[in-house]
Amino acid sequence: DIQLTQSPSFLSASVGDRVTITCRARLPISNYLAWYQQKPGKAPKLLVYAASTLQSGVPSRFSGSGSGTEFTLTISSLQPEDFATYFCQQANTYPLAFGPGTKVDIK
Amino acid sequence: QVTLRESGPALVKSTQTLTLTCSFSGFSLTTTGMCVSWIRQPPGKALEWLALIDWDDDKYYSTSLRTRLTISKDTSKNQVVLTLTNMDPVDTATYYCARIPPGPYYYMDVWGKGTTVTVSS
Repeated sequence: DIQLTQSPSFLSASVGDRVTITCRARLPISNYLAWYQQKPGKAPKLLVYAASTLQSGVPSRFSGSGSGTEFTLTISSLQPEDFATYFCQQANTYPLAFGPGTKVDIK
Repeated sequence: QVTLRESGPALVKSTQTLTLTCSFSGFSLTTTGMCVSWIRQPPGKALEWLALIDWDDDKYYSTSLRTRLTISKDTSKNQVVLTLTNMDPVDTATYYCARIPPGPYYYMDVWGKGTTVTVSS
């Protein structure tokens, strides 16, 4: 099975900050990685797939990069609606798997 | 418009079998490459992938839960059913179904709102 780790687990940031979240896979997964945003009490929302392709309707301040075993999600200028938990997911082989999540909170 | 909706019991007892239904619209599970997946999330914890069924009726399961899980589909009703046997309080979670569109990447582009299941001992 391919496990994922995320860092940091928690980060405190201010509106306008540039935020970077890292996801690491135990084995290489090429660009088979997706990122999701989840707000309390809501279902996850797809942000990025194929490591760097922005899902339709997602603001351009979000971007994804990486390949192999290390990936990043960057929010270029944090907005109030971006305070949420972010999960990565390996989309390469079965069983599929999610990372443990990164909670982005208001400083 | 693609939508998915989970339904099932809100409360089950230990050792019972949980049966959840995902009813969807806006797409067909007979379309080549289309898949539906189940994911769960215990309170305050991370997402956990459970199972997937594809247009060709191939089924894939979580390694840790494969002996307890069964996924099936009824394409005439646009439904996917998940059963989880021998329920335990640690299975208390919100259960989501989601669509995986055709393509080489198994990502979930549309999710249901989820259904919360509590397991009592």
